[in-house]
Amino acid sequence: QKEVEQNSGPLSVPEGAIASLNCTYSDRGSQSFFWYRQYSGKSPELIMSIYSNGDKEDGRFTAQLNKASQYVSLLIRDSQPSDSATYLCAAVSSGSARQLTFGSGTQLTVLP
Amino acid sequence: EAQVTQNPRYLITVTGKKLTVTCSQNMNHEYMSWYRQDPGLGLRQIYYSMNVEVTDKGDVPEGYKVSRKEKRNFPLILESPSPNQTSLYFCASSLIPVQGGEQYFGPGTRLTVT
Repeated sequence: QKEVEQNSGPLSVPEGAIASLNCTYSDRGSQSFFWYRQYSGKSPELIMSIYSNGDKEDGRFTAQLNKASQYVSLLIRDSQPSDSATYLCAAVSSGSARQLTFGSGTQLTVLP
Repeated sequence: EAQVTQNPRYLITVTGKKLTVTCSQNMNHEYMSWYRQDPGLGLRQIYYSMNVEVTDKGDVPEGYKVSRKEKRNFPLILESPSPNQTSLYFCASSLIPVQGGEQYFGPGTRLTVT
Protein backbone atom coordinates (compact mmCIF):
# COMPACT_ATOMS: atom_id res chain seq x y z
CA GLN A 1 0.00 0.00 0.00
CA LYS A 2 1.57 3.24 -1.13
CA GLU A 3 1.10 5.85 1.55
CA VAL A 4 1.27 9.56 2.10
CA GLU A 5 1.65 10.58 5.71
CA GLN A 6 1.00 13.96 7.23
CA ASN A 7 1.13 15.31 10.74
CA SER A 8 -2.53 15.30 11.64
CA GLY A 9 -2.16 18.40 13.79
CA PRO A 10 -4.02 20.49 14.54
CA LEU A 11 -1.45 23.20 13.98
CA SER A 12 -1.97 26.70 15.34
CA VAL A 13 0.15 29.71 14.44
CA PRO A 14 -0.29 33.41 15.17
CA GLU A 15 -1.17 35.78 12.37
CA GLY A 16 1.91 36.87 10.46
CA ALA A 17 3.96 33.81 11.39
CA ILE A 18 5.26 31.08 9.08
CA ALA A 19 3.20 27.90 9.03
CA SER A 20 5.13 24.74 8.17
CA LEU A 21 3.28 21.67 6.96
CA ASN A 22 5.05 18.38 6.39
CA CYS A 23 4.40 15.25 4.39
CA THR A 24 6.28 12.00 3.72
CA TYR A 25 5.53 9.42 1.07
CA SER A 26 6.41 5.77 0.77
CA ASP A 27 6.52 5.32 -3.03
CA ARG A 28 10.10 6.12 -3.99
CA GLY A 29 9.08 6.28 -7.65
CA SER A 30 6.56 9.09 -7.18
CA GLN A 31 7.41 12.09 -9.33
CA SER A 32 4.54 14.54 -8.87
CA PHE A 33 3.34 16.11 -5.66
CA PHE A 34 0.52 18.46 -4.82
CA TRP A 35 -0.83 20.51 -1.97
CA TYR A 36 -4.56 21.04 -1.77
CA ARG A 37 -6.41 23.33 0.60
CA GLN A 38 -9.83 22.39 1.93
CA TYR A 39 -11.98 24.79 3.89
CA SER A 40 -14.48 23.27 6.28
CA GLY A 41 -17.48 21.96 4.38
CA LYS A 42 -15.93 22.72 1.00
CA SER A 43 -14.15 20.76 -1.69
CA PRO A 44 -10.35 20.62 -2.06
CA GLU A 45 -8.62 23.14 -4.29
CA LEU A 46 -5.11 22.90 -5.66
CA ILE A 47 -2.68 25.48 -4.33
CA MET A 48 0.75 24.10 -5.26
CA SER A 49 2.32 21.43 -7.42
CA ILE A 50 5.98 20.41 -7.39
CA TYR A 51 7.89 17.92 -9.52
CA SER A 52 11.59 18.63 -8.98
CA ASN A 53 13.82 18.65 -5.94
CA GLY A 54 14.14 22.03 -4.29
CA ASP A 55 11.81 24.92 -3.64
CA LYS A 56 8.93 26.32 -5.62
CA GLU A 57 7.47 29.64 -4.62
CA ASP A 58 4.07 31.13 -5.43
CA GLY A 59 3.20 34.25 -3.51
CA ARG A 60 3.16 33.48 0.18
CA PHE A 61 3.39 29.74 -0.47
CA THR A 62 6.59 27.72 -0.90
CA ALA A 63 6.59 24.01 -1.63
CA GLN A 64 9.74 22.03 -0.92
CA LEU A 65 10.59 18.59 -2.27
CA ASN A 66 13.37 16.25 -1.23
CA LYS A 67 13.08 12.99 -3.16
CA ALA A 68 16.05 11.38 -1.41
CA SER A 69 14.28 11.80 1.93
CA GLN A 70 10.81 11.25 0.40
CA TYR A 71 9.67 14.45 1.98
CA VAL A 72 7.43 17.28 0.85
CA SER A 73 6.63 20.42 2.78
CA LEU A 74 4.54 23.55 2.41
CA LEU A 75 5.49 26.85 4.00
CA ILE A 76 2.97 29.64 4.33
CA ARG A 77 4.58 32.99 5.04
CA ASP A 78 2.77 35.87 6.70
CA SER A 79 -0.07 33.54 7.68
CA GLN A 80 -3.54 35.05 7.64
CA PRO A 81 -6.73 33.92 9.39
CA SER A 82 -8.09 33.17 5.92
CA ASP A 83 -5.40 30.48 5.61
CA SER A 84 -7.16 28.47 8.32
CA ALA A 85 -8.10 25.23 6.59
CA THR A 86 -7.08 21.62 6.21
CA TYR A 87 -4.10 21.10 3.92
CA LEU A 88 -3.88 17.86 1.98
CA CYS A 89 -0.65 16.49 0.58
CA ALA A 90 -0.97 14.24 -2.47
CA ALA A 91 1.38 12.18 -4.61
CA VAL A 92 0.97 10.42 -7.94
CA SER A 93 1.91 6.78 -7.61
CA SER A 94 4.72 5.49 -9.79
CA GLY A 95 2.81 2.40 -10.89
CA SER A 96 0.25 4.50 -12.72
CA ALA A 97 0.06 8.05 -13.96
CA ARG A 98 -3.59 8.03 -13.07
CA GLN A 99 -3.82 7.59 -9.31
CA LEU A 100 -3.47 10.37 -6.82
CA THR A 101 -2.94 9.28 -3.21
CA PHE A 102 -3.83 11.78 -0.50
CA GLY A 103 -2.60 12.14 3.05
CA SER A 104 -5.15 12.50 5.81
CA GLY A 105 -4.56 16.25 6.01
CA THR A 106 -3.25 18.77 8.54
CA GLN A 107 -5.69 21.22 10.08
CA LEU A 108 -4.19 24.69 10.32
CA THR A 109 -5.60 27.49 12.45
CA VAL A 110 -4.16 31.00 12.16
CA LEU A 111 -4.94 32.98 15.28
CA PRO A 112 -5.66 36.72 14.88
CA GLU B 1 -18.58 29.06 -15.57
CA ALA B 2 -16.17 26.13 -15.56
CA GLN B 3 -17.31 23.67 -12.96
CA VAL B 4 -17.93 20.15 -11.76
CA THR B 5 -21.45 19.54 -10.52
CA GLN B 6 -22.72 16.70 -8.37
CA ASN B 7 -26.25 15.67 -7.48
CA PRO B 8 -27.66 15.21 -5.00
CA ARG B 9 -25.64 17.21 -2.48
CA TYR B 10 -27.19 15.38 0.46
CA LEU B 11 -28.77 11.95 0.53
CA ILE B 12 -30.11 9.76 3.30
CA THR B 13 -31.07 6.26 2.26
CA VAL B 14 -31.58 2.79 3.64
CA THR B 15 -29.44 -0.30 3.33
CA GLY B 16 -29.85 -2.09 0.02
CA LYS B 17 -31.68 0.63 -1.90
CA LYS B 18 -29.82 1.29 -5.15
CA LEU B 19 -28.72 4.86 -5.73
CA THR B 20 -26.83 6.92 -8.25
CA VAL B 21 -24.81 10.07 -7.65
CA THR B 22 -24.36 12.07 -10.80
CA CYS B 23 -21.25 14.02 -11.78
CA SER B 24 -20.92 16.34 -14.72
CA GLN B 25 -18.16 18.67 -15.92
CA ASN B 26 -18.32 21.38 -18.57
CA MET B 27 -14.57 21.76 -19.18
CA ASN B 28 -14.14 19.02 -21.80
CA HIS B 29 -11.83 17.18 -19.43
CA GLU B 30 -10.56 13.74 -20.34
CA TYR B 31 -9.98 12.46 -16.84
CA MET B 32 -12.62 12.02 -14.14
CA SER B 33 -12.47 10.41 -10.75
CA TRP B 34 -14.50 9.62 -7.64
CA TYR B 35 -13.21 9.92 -4.09
CA ARG B 36 -14.66 9.33 -0.69
CA GLN B 37 -13.54 11.29 2.35
CA ASP B 38 -13.78 9.93 5.88
CA PRO B 39 -12.47 11.47 9.12
CA GLY B 40 -8.88 10.50 9.76
CA LEU B 41 -8.58 8.66 6.44
CA GLY B 42 -8.37 11.55 4.02
CA LEU B 43 -9.47 11.26 0.41
CA ARG B 44 -9.45 7.78 -1.09
CA GLN B 45 -9.96 7.13 -4.76
CA ILE B 46 -12.85 4.85 -5.68
CA TYR B 47 -12.75 4.75 -9.49
CA TYR B 48 -11.28 6.84 -12.26
CA SER B 49 -11.77 7.21 -15.98
CA MET B 50 -9.16 8.22 -18.53
CA ASN B 51 -11.74 8.79 -21.26
CA VAL B 52 -15.11 7.64 -22.57
CA GLU B 53 -15.64 3.92 -22.01
CA VAL B 54 -12.34 3.63 -20.11
CA THR B 55 -12.63 3.15 -16.36
CA ASP B 56 -10.41 1.58 -13.72
CA LYS B 57 -10.46 0.80 -10.03
CA GLY B 58 -8.92 3.06 -7.44
CA ASP B 59 -8.01 2.10 -3.90
CA VAL B 60 -11.51 1.38 -2.54
CA PRO B 61 -13.77 0.19 -5.39
CA GLU B 62 -15.72 -2.49 -3.50
CA GLY B 63 -19.44 -1.83 -3.48
CA TYR B 64 -19.33 0.81 -6.22
CA LYS B 65 -19.84 0.92 -9.97
CA VAL B 66 -19.20 3.64 -12.50
CA SER B 67 -19.79 4.25 -16.17
CA ARG B 68 -18.44 6.77 -18.68
CA LYS B 69 -20.72 6.82 -21.68
CA GLU B 70 -20.21 10.51 -22.35
CA LYS B 71 -17.15 12.63 -21.80
CA ARG B 72 -18.89 15.08 -19.50
CA ASN B 73 -20.66 12.60 -17.19
CA PHE B 74 -19.32 10.08 -14.71
CA PRO B 75 -22.04 8.71 -12.41
CA LEU B 76 -21.28 6.71 -9.28
CA ILE B 77 -23.62 3.81 -8.63
CA LEU B 78 -24.17 2.01 -5.35
CA GLU B 79 -26.11 -1.14 -6.21
CA SER B 80 -26.75 -2.18 -2.60
CA PRO B 81 -25.59 0.52 -0.20
CA SER B 82 -24.41 -0.43 3.26
CA PRO B 83 -23.82 1.72 6.36
CA ASN B 84 -20.03 1.56 5.85
CA GLN B 85 -20.56 3.57 2.66
CA THR B 86 -21.76 6.53 4.69
CA SER B 87 -19.26 9.18 3.67
CA LEU B 88 -18.59 12.43 1.85
CA TYR B 89 -18.11 11.81 -1.87
CA PHE B 90 -16.25 14.03 -4.32
CA CYS B 91 -16.10 13.87 -8.06
CA ALA B 92 -13.09 15.45 -9.75
CA SER B 93 -11.92 16.08 -13.29
CA SER B 94 -8.77 17.20 -15.03
CA LEU B 95 -7.79 18.00 -18.59
CA ILE B 96 -5.08 15.35 -18.73
CA PRO B 97 -4.25 12.42 -16.50
CA VAL B 98 -3.34 13.29 -12.94
CA GLN B 99 0.35 13.72 -13.52
CA GLY B 100 0.88 17.36 -14.31
CA GLY B 101 -2.80 18.20 -14.33
CA GLU B 102 -4.85 20.16 -11.89
CA GLN B 103 -7.87 18.36 -10.55
CA TYR B 104 -11.11 20.28 -10.17
CA PHE B 105 -13.41 18.97 -7.49
CA GLY B 106 -17.17 19.05 -7.34
CA PRO B 107 -18.96 20.40 -4.24
CA GLY B 108 -19.37 16.99 -2.64
CA THR B 109 -22.25 14.65 -1.84
CA ARG B 110 -22.86 13.71 1.76
CA LEU B 111 -24.37 10.24 1.86
CA THR B 112 -25.87 8.58 4.91
CA VAL B 113 -26.91 4.93 4.74
CA THR B 114 -29.03 3.71 7.65
